[in-house]
Amino acid sequence: SQQGEEDPQALSIQEGENATMNCSYKTSINNLQWYRQNSGRGLVHLILIRSNEREKHSGRLRVTLDTSKKSSSLLITASRAADTASYFCATGPGGSYIPTFGRGTSLIVHP
Amino acid sequence: GAGVSQSPSNKVTEKGKDVELRCDPISGHTALYWYRQSLGQGLEFLIYFQGNSAPDKSGLPSDRFSAERTGGSVSTLTIQRTQQEDSAVYLCASSLSEGLGNTIYFGEGSWLTVV
Repeated sequence: SQQGEEDPQALSIQEGENATMNCSYKTSINNLQWYRQNSGRGLVHLILIRSNEREKHSGRLRVTLDTSKKSSSLLITASRAADTASYFCATGPGGSYIPTFGRGTSLIVHP
Repeated sequence: GAGVSQSPSNKVTEKGKDVELRCDPISGHTALYWYRQSLGQGLEFLIYFQGNSAPDKSGLPSDRFSAERTGGSVSTLTIQRTQQEDSAVYLCASSLSEGLGNTIYFGEGSWLTVV
């Protein structure tokens, strides 16, 4: 069964706006990762947040984690057309060695 | 190598034929994963290797699917008697060791089309 689910499924914004994507999961986790996939390409790792962390930044990316709500969010600030891609969260039950992915959020940034 | 390498990048095969997909992980990475992604869908876990052994084969969809890994490096995913529903992108990934505390590096995938 899928551990993580992203929402919304699709997001369309204008360049310069912020984009927020959410990930909900079912069981306790040790870590959560966010990945990006350009159309037809492999996934690229963006950021890892550990269960004892609440927020993490990397450039224009901000990830938050709320373990009480079993959810995480990815915020992309000042979006660019090049940010157009699908974004996935990867989780696994505590101690699991198998990263499981949701269906992703498809982000379109209009120039 | 510099990254995870997969071949072929594209494969069109006739229904009923066998196909082999190859994955060359990053040198030194002991954990290797195979996933399948159908058009517009998420990633479906297929199999995981730690070294040459596969502790978890639970994701393989049928007995037509098999995978092996030799020398703790290259892995081959074999699909026998392909069916049209096997059409998908097959993604391979590797990490330094098992566990979600490690970054997982993906290849560009092998696009399989069964006609």
